[in-house]
Amino acid sequence: DIQMTQSPSSLSASVGDRVTITCRASQSSNTYLNWYQQKPGRAPKLLIYAASTLESGVPSRFSGSGSTTDFTLTISSLQPEDSATYFCQQTYSIPWTFGQGTKVEIK
Amino acid sequence: EVQLVESGGGLVQPGGSLRLSCAASGFTFDDYAMHWVRQAPGKGLEWVSGISWNSGSIGYADSVKGRFTIARDNAKSSLFLQMKSLRAEDTAIYYCARHGSWSFNYWGQGTLVTVSS
Repeated sequence: DIQMTQSPSSLSASVGDRVTITCRASQSSNTYLNWYQQKPGRAPKLLIYAASTLESGVPSRFSGSGSTTDFTLTISSLQPEDSATYFCQQTYSIPWTFGQGTKVEIK
Repeated sequence: EVQLVESGGGLVQPGGSLRLSCAASGFTFDDYAMHWVRQAPGKGLEWVSGISWNSGSIGYADSVKGRFTIARDNAKSSLFLQMKSLRAEDTAIYYCARHGSWSFNYWGQGTLVTVSS
């Protein structure tokens, strides 16, 4: 199984800050890497697929990059509504595994 | 508008069984693979099972293999998860999700399964 490790586990940042979350795969997942946002009591929401493609309707302050084993989710200018937990997921090989999540809080 | 609505969750004793359903609308159901993903209270996401559009390809997480069975009824735009021999560690919110662009691009609101005596 491909293990996905996110860092940090949590962070606190101010509105307008640039925020970066990393996701490392235990073996190559090519660019089959997705990012989801989950707010408390809600289902996850797809933000980015194929490592860097923004899902329709997602604000352009979100971006993704990386390939093979190292991936990054960047929020260019943090907004209050971005307070949530973010998960990466590889869909390169079954079982399709998720990272443990990164909780983003607003200072 | 794509909608996925799960049902069938509840409280069940260890060793018991439960059948979850997911009613899909707003898209051509038999064009898409579908998945079940679960989230234990306060924990992360775990892919449970997936099924191709025509049920020809099915996969399970090791943690549920042999105990859970995924199925779909394209005529009724419905996805199912039959769960047996339930354990306390199966306690979670169960989401159904639609496959798209090598990701899960639509999710239901989830149904809570609690395994406890």
